[in-house]
Formats: sequence, C-alpha cells, structure tokens
Amino acid sequence: KAGVTQTPRYLIKTRGQQVTLSCSPISGHRSVSWYQQTPGQGLQFLFEYFSETQRNKGNFPGRFSGRQFSNSRSEMNVSTLELGDSALYLCASSLVGGTSTDTQYFGPGTRLTVL
Amino acid sequence: AQSVTQPDIHITVSEGASLELRCNYSYGATPYLFWYVQSPGQGLQLLLKYFSGDTLVQGIKGFEAEFKRSQSSFNLRKPSVHWSDAAEYFCAVAPSNDYKLSFGAGTTVTVRA
Repeated sequence: KAGVTQTPRYLIKTRGQQVTLSCSPISGHRSVSWYQQTPGQGLQFLFEYFSETQRNKGNFPGRFSGRQFSNSRSEMNVSTLELGDSALYLCASSLVGGTSTDTQYFGPGTRLTVL
Repeated sequence: AQSVTQPDIHITVSEGASLELRCNYSYGATPYLFWYVQSPGQGLQLLLKYFSGDTLVQGIKGFEAEFKRSQSSFNLRKPSVHWSDAAEYFCAVAPSNDYKLSFGAGTTVTVRA
C-alpha cells in the first residue's frame, strides 16, 4: 500500500505570495492532519480534516487554511507569506482520526522557503 | 495543556553500544505517548506507542520504551545501535480524548564507527 504523498517536495516563494501544498493520504484513510516543523518552534499542529470538514485546529493565524476533498486528499494554503513561514510542512493521515489511538502516518513533507 | 521535554539535544553513540533517549511529559491524566524517528529529508516514522497496559512497549527496529508514571517519563532504548539509527528522534504526547500530537524538541543521534 502506498504511503502518504506530498507535492511538491520543495518550493521557493517570496514574501507576500501565497502557496498551496497538496497531500494524498494512504488509501482508505479519511483523516488528514498538517504539521509545521521549524528549527525554532519544532513540530506544531496546524489542523486536521475529516470528511471534508476541519475538526481540529492549532494556534496559527488565519493566513493558514486548508481543505479536504471527497477523495480525502487535502490541500493547505498559506496566504501573504512571511519569512517565518519557511518550514517543513508535514502531512499525516489516519483511518478516522479524532482520537490519538488512531496512528498517524506521516508523509515526507514539503520544504517551503520564503525569500 | 500537555507538554513534552527531551533534555538531550544531541547524543553521540558508538555502533554496537546501547542507546537511551529521555522523554518527560507534563499532563494531568495518563496521556498517550509516542516515539517517532525522522531520517534526513524524510517524514516521521512511528517507532512505538503507549496507550495503557504493560509499561514496557516494544517497537520496530529493535526499540523499546518504558512508561514510568511516577517519573512522568517515557524513555526510549535500544540495546545495540546500528549506523542506520542515526536520525532525529521525537517524543510526542496526546490526550486520550484528542488527536493533536504535542512533540518534544527532538534528540539528534549520531552513530560513530
């Protein structure tokens, strides 16, 4: 079974632009979560989607948004990029999510660099 | 709110030697605990998890972890490390009724020949 895939793997943008990252979960998984990883803040939870609805949200500004499609694929969007948004963005999928007993499987991440 | 502390930023160990990575958590009730490993340029891979029951948990790649409630710890161990174990290791905690993982800052493991 294929793992979690994320596209693109690398992205370079300039301040003020917006960016969209994509995540395809493991087949059969309906929950998708997004995490931001930076050297300074570590790994931080962004949000979780299930059945096309945002179910959980971390402490990030409204510039960070996401959505989930009927096939469980998810996209994350960051508008008005700032230098501090440079990070590795990780996507994780699980069967149904909702509780931490449902193991999250991570993708390789998208490395975003904001110049 | 829950939090995780990994006191060691970097550990160097010789190949074949034992390894122990420390993790302390702060949470009011018994949390769900996890160890993940991240190799360079890769995502996170789950090594093992603890929900309840036996406090000694076996994971993949020969790793094990022990939950000690009295010390609020969940240390990861491996009896004999291989060069391929060089990576960054993250301890994570989540409440039993929630899904959000809170990660520690990570411990980088270097394996010398």
